[in-house]
Amino acid sequence: QVQLVESGGGVVQPGGSLRLSCAASGFTFTTYGMHWVRQAPGKGLEWVAFIRYDGSNKYYADSVKGRFTISRDNSKNTLYLQMNSLRAEDTAVYYCARSGRNYYDRSGSDSAFDIWGQGTMVTVSS
Amino acid sequence: QSALTQPASVSGSPGQSITISCTGTSSDVGGYNYVSWYQQHPGKAPKLLIYDVTKRPSGVSNRFSASKSGNTASLTISGLQAEDEADYYCSSYTSSSTWVFGGGTKLTVL
Repeated sequence: QVQLVESGGGVVQPGGSLRLSCAASGFTFTTYGMHWVRQAPGKGLEWVAFIRYDGSNKYYADSVKGRFTISRDNSKNTLYLQMNSLRAEDTAVYYCARSGRNYYDRSGSDSAFDIWGQGTMVTVSS
Repeated sequence: QSALTQPASVSGSPGQSITISCTGTSSDVGGYNYVSWYQQHPGKAPKLLIYDVTKRPSGVSNRFSASKSGNTASLTISGLQAEDEADYYCSSYTSSSTWVFGGGTKLTVL
């Protein structure tokens, strides 16, 4: 079945780095853009970053620009989020989500985050 | 990239209808038909309910409907059921080629 599975979360000190992974299965990963979305404890959803299906374009929230890097390895059906210079306010559950537009047949929509992973917790604390 | 504005909470009795608003600007909600809505139960990942302002993915109950007027989008849930109790989030594409979520609305079914 269509599935996204995040991994790589954990506890890291302020100023440290962490790399999250999101393994995709059950669909043609190479034809979909992908997002990272986070949710701080007890707070709402915050969009973090987006990468096009072919990795040609990447977009970031102002809160993470210059510190986080989104990337993908289409040969491994895997999405990544490299997080550097981590701050306490980066503490959150990080979700990967599929963008709803299929760039092969142009079906679906860029407005839809249609498949979500279960999330991985990142805690930034000394 | 300010969050879209949603009411913090709404409530309704079983069988009733409720509406959740989502207010943005002409640079996001008002500028594009790229508004979506999500339901999130405690400890779970969000679930897509509505995309492109009014479209429902297959498998989503037709009790969920949505619309947009100007810079404000709205989600309506009719025939409220106990299982509808959850947090609801709107989202919009923006003129900066980014996405923004609303602050979330907690729905209580009385």
